[in-house]
Amino acid sequence: DGGITQSPKYLFRKEGQNVTLSCEQNLNHDAMYWYRQDPGQGLRLIYYSQIVNDFQKGDIAEGYSVSREKKESFPLTVTSAQKNPTAFYLCASRNGQERFGNEKLFFGSGTQLSVL
Amino acid sequence: DAKTTQPNSMESNEEEPVHLPCNHSTISGTDYIHWYRQLPSQGPEYVIHGLTSNVNNRMASLAIAEDRKSSTLILHRATLRDAAVYYCILRGFSGNTGKLIFGQGTTLQVKP
Repeated sequence: DGGITQSPKYLFRKEGQNVTLSCEQNLNHDAMYWYRQDPGQGLRLIYYSQIVNDFQKGDIAEGYSVSREKKESFPLTVTSAQKNPTAFYLCASRNGQERFGNEKLFFGSGTQLSVL
Repeated sequence: DAKTTQPNSMESNEEEPVHLPCNHSTISGTDYIHWYRQLPSQGPEYVIHGLTSNVNNRMASLAIAEDRKSSTLILHRATLRDAAVYYCILRGFSGNTGKLIFGQGTTLQVKP
């Protein structure tokens, strides 16, 4: 079955540590996104990539980094500079060939990151 | 992207229809209306979208006001599995990046 796989489901970070969240998709989608969700809140965009080897900052990129070396993969690193990393992280993708307005985002099941 | 306003929460009884409202008074002529829902501890999933005309699919119906300043997501027969947060989102042309802005949505509770 095609879809988006996020791992791990739960992750714990120690103070001063960098951690990397994995996101893999086998939908052959061009664009991929990382969102952050805090309890009871909507989603906020961290980074997005419309094509391999290219990515742009979203609304809350500080303290995060990404790479897009392969079409299928868009890992997110939460660096030690992110002082409040505890949140639910969601990865999404979309087919870049869809006509404007008709694009649908497909989401993974998320990674819950907590600070020890 | 233009802003949407939704009630924070709604309740419904199982097997009854549910009408989830969304106001978007500043919508522009090219903004599409998208609905997603998020089950507990899951990522959001696409429900339906439209531009001007009402839309139906296997999950729900979308009724769009004639002036497009509001819309309503209709679940024809709510089940317990429909308990989720429902997001109404306007998809505007922002350099065609495909970005969607998710607000707080409406938390739907379904009672047996």
